[in-house]
Amino acid sequence: QVQLVQSGVEVKKPGASVKVSCKASGYIFTSYYMHWVRQAPGQGLEWMGTITPSGESTTYAQKFQGRVAITRDTSTSTVYMDLSSLRSDDTAVYFCATLGASFDHWGQGTLVTVSS
Amino acid sequence: DIQMTQSPSSLSASVGDRVSITCRASQGINNYLAWFQQKPGKAPKSLIYAASSLQSGVPSKFSGSGYGTDFTLTISSLQPEDFATYYCQQYKNYPYTFGQGTKLEIK
Repeated sequence: QVQLVQSGVEVKKPGASVKVSCKASGYIFTSYYMHWVRQAPGQGLEWMGTITPSGESTTYAQKFQGRVAITRDTSTSTVYMDLSSLRSDDTAVYFCATLGASFDHWGQGTLVTVSS
Repeated sequence: DIQMTQSPSSLSASVGDRVSITCRASQGINNYLAWFQQKPGKAPKSLIYAASSLQSGVPSKFSGSGYGTDFTLTISSLQPEDFATYYCQQYKNYPYTFGQGTKLEIK
């Protein structure tokens, strides 16, 4: 079965960077885009960006341009989301997801807390 | 960016009721619309894609309709496990955008 397994809880100080991983299994990794969506405490869902199946191209929400980088390693079927210059309002649960219409699968989420 | 506006923001209903949630896009998105259910502490779960197609394994009590800018999610015969927050999402253009959510609560 399809599984997206994300890395564990992170606690970071303001100004630091965080790298969250998402390891995929159960499907052909190079066939689907991967997206990152975040959810601040008590808030709604916010799309951050995506990477193409080959990993050659990325698209990011304007809000995160210059601070986020999404990469993928096809040898390990893992996608990474790197967010830099962290602020307190980046505290959120970060999800990877295929968001592929009929092929829609989500990771379990990774809590990132930014606090001094 | 395409803005997605859901209504109502919260909804109180009883077990056995039928409810509808609407989602309006700020510009036409054809049928590039998905609906998700989210329970506290869990990842969202896809219910509907392409505005009206039921995701595999999702019970037929969930149905979606609409095209262009106006969409509806209907849930019939509410059961206790259906009380959750529901989101619409457009995937016509980047950035993908979500509605603000509708919290469905037990009356």
